[in-house]
Amino acid sequence: SQQGEEDPQALSIQEGENATMNCSYKTSINNLQWYRQNSGRGLVHLILIRSNEREKHSGRLRVTLDTSKKSSSLLITASRAADTASYFCATVTAIGNTPLVFGKGTRLSVIA
Amino acid sequence: DAGVTQSPTHLIKTRGQQVTLRCSPKSGHDTVSWYQQALGQGPQFIFQYYEEEERQRGNFPDRFSGHQFPNYSSELNVNALLLGDSALYLCASSLWLDEQFFGPGTRLTVL
Repeated sequence: SQQGEEDPQALSIQEGENATMNCSYKTSINNLQWYRQNSGRGLVHLILIRSNEREKHSGRLRVTLDTSKKSSSLLITASRAADTASYFCATVTAIGNTPLVFGKGTRLSVIA
Repeated sequence: DAGVTQSPTHLIKTRGQQVTLRCSPKSGHDTVSWYQQALGQGPQFIFQYYEEEERQRGNFPDRFSGHQFPNYSSELNVNALLLGDSALYLCASSLWLDEQFFGPGTRLTVL
């Protein structure tokens, strides 16, 4: 079974609006990472947040982590048409430091 | 500096055949992980190689095997192909369990 579950499965917004995607996971983690994937191509690493961090920023991206709720959110501000992609969260679990476990992703469509 | 490269880009095979996919890691990386991504799904971990040994393995049958060479490049082999093996195969490289950098993937179609 998959560790992470993104919500919503699909999101459609107008250019310039903010997009928020959520991720829930099941077991304790070492870190959580967000990736972007365009049209079934390779994954692009966006941001990594460690279990002892609560918030990180990178450009127009803001990620929060709530380990008590086992959840994370990715906020993309001032979205652009080029942000249209699938977004995945992936976790590295705390026990055994197992490799990335991905959710099913959120499909984001930004309409110009 | 070239990132992670994979070959071939696309591949078409028939059921029962065998396939070998190749991956060259990002310069300076010593760990290679392989993932299978079915259409509409997130990537699923197959296995990970470090120091030429398989270190961790996901829930995949023995038909999936791999190898890591002294230059850290890696191969993924799949024997006795099934229709369900059709997927995008992604390779990722890293320094052990640090941030993983993904290649563009190999699209495998099994007919």
